[in-house]
Amino acid sequence: NAGVTQTPKFQVLKTGQSMTLQCAQDMNHEYMSWYRQDPGMGLRLIHYSVGAGITDQGEVPNGYNVSRSTTEDFPLRLLSAAPSQTSVYFCASSYTPTARGREQYFGPGTRLTVT
Amino acid sequence: TQLLEQSPQFLSIQEGENLTVYCNSSSVFSSLQWYRQEPGEGPVLLVTVVTGGEVKKLKRLTFQFGDARKDSSLHITAAQPGDTGLYLCAGIGGGTSYGKLTFGQGTILTVHP
Repeated sequence: NAGVTQTPKFQVLKTGQSMTLQCAQDMNHEYMSWYRQDPGMGLRLIHYSVGAGITDQGEVPNGYNVSRSTTEDFPLRLLSAAPSQTSVYFCASSYTPTARGREQYFGPGTRLTVT
Repeated sequence: TQLLEQSPQFLSIQEGENLTVYCNSSSVFSSLQWYRQEPGEGPVLLVTVVTGGEVKKLKRLTFQFGDARKDSSLHITAAQPGDTGLYLCAGIGGGTSYGKLTFGQGTILTVHP
């Protein structure tokens, strides 16, 4: 049971390039989400999914796309990278999006630098 | 948008001292979680508090949820170097924010031997 895995761990992009951050979980969790973490700002929700085929926007969705074709995978696409997207990106999953007591399991993160 | 203000942002103390981290909001949350994050890793859940006024203990850590479910605190007794890390509070919303987590800015705790 690997939990939540993310690849790559580190990435450097030039402004305007596109790329996909991969996220996979093997816990059969319905709910998956992407966050970005910047110094002094905690974690901010980018996009989330409550099940295969269903996605929705979070707090900071601009410049990012997601899709959820399977329960296991939830890739995050950067369409045209900008320096403001330099950040650490975390993928998380949980069993169900119930309001109370839901534990989210986080991956190890992808550190992205856009020059 | 629901906001969580966490304080202090930085805390540097000596081993054996006590400390408290605060998490405050003007919004009501259905529940609140505390996470701990080590460098290079993702956050790991410490506790979830659900009921207003609830107090939970995890060894030397005591978590409290405010009566109005707008604030929470984390108290560490006799801190140890192994407690060093980033502590994050996260509120779980209700209503139109159903199920979504709102994170505080985090508190970087350093415990010196």
